[in-house]
Amino acid sequence: GENVEQHPSTLSVQEGDSAVIKCTYSDSASNYFPWYKQELGKRPQLIIDIRSNVGEKKDQRIAVTLNKTAKHFSLHITETQPEDSAVYFCAATPLAKYIFGTGTRLKVLA
Amino acid sequence: DTAVSQTPKYLVTQMGNDKSIKCEQNLGHDTMYWYKQDSKKFLKIMFSYNNKELIINETVPNRFSPKSPDKAHLNLHINSLELGDSAVYFCASSQAQGPYGYTFGSGTRLTVV
Repeated sequence: GENVEQHPSTLSVQEGDSAVIKCTYSDSASNYFPWYKQELGKRPQLIIDIRSNVGEKKDQRIAVTLNKTAKHFSLHITETQPEDSAVYFCAATPLAKYIFGTGTRLKVLA
Repeated sequence: DTAVSQTPKYLVTQMGNDKSIKCEQNLGHDTMYWYKQDSKKFLKIMFSYNNKELIINETVPNRFSPKSPDKAHLNLHINSLELGDSAVYFCASSQAQGPYGYTFGSGTRLTVV
């Protein structure tokens, strides 16, 4: 069945540095790739998404890139701040059904 | 004004009991979901309803029964609770089957003792 691998599982960066989280999916039918941020004890919140007809999308300090041929997509956070500390989830969506990655715990060290 | 609201926020109950979790969305979305998040933070789909009709029913014990009286509400009833049911349960909605982005509720932390 569909599988989404997410790496790394934990990531520590210094404040101001960049962070990159990568996901790989298996089902080429996936055409929508969202990213969610979940702060401790809170709900997951959609932070950025990309559809398969686009290779890159940017929103201020966050960007997502998609390589459909290689079946992987990445989240890039620049100029990280302590409030970026959270668990980040990617998802692929074969046949409109979400398959979430296993999450990346990002710690931004002040 | 909360977009997706769940009640209760916390639920502590004994094994064998029956409990319900309620979810309501005021976004006008057509599709609603129940997700289970375990202690390792894995998010796993349980059920999905589109305009009151069940469209996704994952491999979930039949002790779990969802009900959608209208497209703004999706409730989850759990019979004969077991220790392994302890988790955070999230309700979510999206504008349509999509795929589209989700708006999640604040979660219900269920602890079975």
